[in-house]
Amino acid sequence: KAGVTQTPRYLIKTRGQQVTLSCSPISGHRSVSWYQQTPGQGLQFLFEYFSETQRNKGNFPGRFSGRQFSNSRSEMNVSTLELGDSALYLCASSDRTGQPQHFGDGTRLSIL
Amino acid sequence: AQSVTQPDIHITVSEGASLELRCNYSYGATPYLFWYVQSPGQGLQLLLKYFSGDTLVQGIKGFEAEFKRSQSSFNLRKPSVHWSDAAEYFCAVGQDKIIFGKGTRLHILP
Repeated sequence: KAGVTQTPRYLIKTRGQQVTLSCSPISGHRSVSWYQQTPGQGLQFLFEYFSETQRNKGNFPGRFSGRQFSNSRSEMNVSTLELGDSALYLCASSDRTGQPQHFGDGTRLSIL
Repeated sequence: AQSVTQPDIHITVSEGASLELRCNYSYGATPYLFWYVQSPGQGLQLLLKYFSGDTLVQGIKGFEAEFKRSQSSFNLRKPSVHWSDAAEYFCAVGQDKIIFGKGTRLHILP
């Protein structure tokens, strides 16, 4: 059974640009949640999607958005990038909401 | 406010010794409780979770955790650590929005 796949693994952008990250969950899982990990703030919940609907949202500005497709794949978009957005972005898939089970290896985003 | 505290940023134990990682939380009701492990350059792996029922939970890799409602704690234990257990461990709580602790980095002495 394939694990959670996040693409790309690494990304370098400049301030003001936008970026889209992708997460393919484990087959059959309908919940995808996203997290930001930084040395200063640690792991922070961004949002969760279940069956194409956003179920929960963390305390991040509107520049952070996401969506989920009918095949449960999810994308996260960050617009108008800031230096502070440099982080490891992790997604997790689960067969139920609120219980992140399987994590991908993350996308490391660096903002120059 | 909801929060998770892992009091120990770093812990060093000798291989073969027992381990206990502490986790305290503040939450309005009994939340779901989780422990994850993260190795360098990788995502998180779920070790165990508690929702209800038996307060002693068995997980993977020989780990267990005990939920103590009176102490708002969910400490992770392992009777005998292996060098491969060196990693960062995260406690997490929540039912909808998951809140993570800051993590405890475990070092193993040979």
